[in-house]
Amino acid sequence: DTEVTQTPKHLVMGMTNKKSLKCEQHMGHRAMYWYKQKAKKPPELMFVYSYEKLSINESVPSRFSPECPNSSLLNLHLHALQPEDSALYLCASSQDYRPYNEQFFGPGTRLTVL
Amino acid sequence: AQTVTQSQPEMSVQEAETVTLSCTYDTSESDYYLFWYKQPPSRQMILVIRQEAYKQQNATENRFSVNFQKAAKSFSLKISDSQLGDAAMYFCAYENQGGSEKLVFGKGTKLTVNP
Repeated sequence: DTEVTQTPKHLVMGMTNKKSLKCEQHMGHRAMYWYKQKAKKPPELMFVYSYEKLSINESVPSRFSPECPNSSLLNLHLHALQPEDSALYLCASSQDYRPYNEQFFGPGTRLTVL
Repeated sequence: AQTVTQSQPEMSVQEAETVTLSCTYDTSESDYYLFWYKQPPSRQMILVIRQEAYKQQNATENRFSVNFQKAAKSFSLKISDSQLGDAAMYFCAYENQGGSEKLVFGKGTKLTVNP
């Protein structure tokens, strides 16, 4: 199984809502990533987890809160988002945190903030 | 922070022909890694090919090959015998040896394959 799954596929939320994005992989990977991708732009790294510990936080606003409950699961909790946060949110995983490892990407969650 | 530049926002190629996508990068480090990722429309991003900077030999993966010029900080992707399924956004990416910079992407090149 070389698949990273993400749910939901689409999400529409108001600025006062709380919602969560979910990412799952069963490849035994120990590094997991959240990216934000605006239309016609490259992905921008948000967070990196290595062995379930947060390793990189790219100065992301606190309205985004990541969580890695176990080695297979990665969540992104959303609260009080702004319309400019509307984007495709990609999850990825790799064997571990070392460089050169291939990252396997999920299909993304398309988020719209009204 | 390192930068990755893809100077061709869009490219097109005829089916079965060869196309080369350009990528340059800026770094002061001697050890690093370079990647090409492909993002087809509405489909998952996948790795096409990768190169370790300390290796002089250019990486190849079937119809995909790179021309890595370390001194020029250039890392172009050549796609031979182009197929309709090659149509996608192609991102060049850089990662440093220490791992503190994970996959810095260029802005991408949209490749169209004409039948």
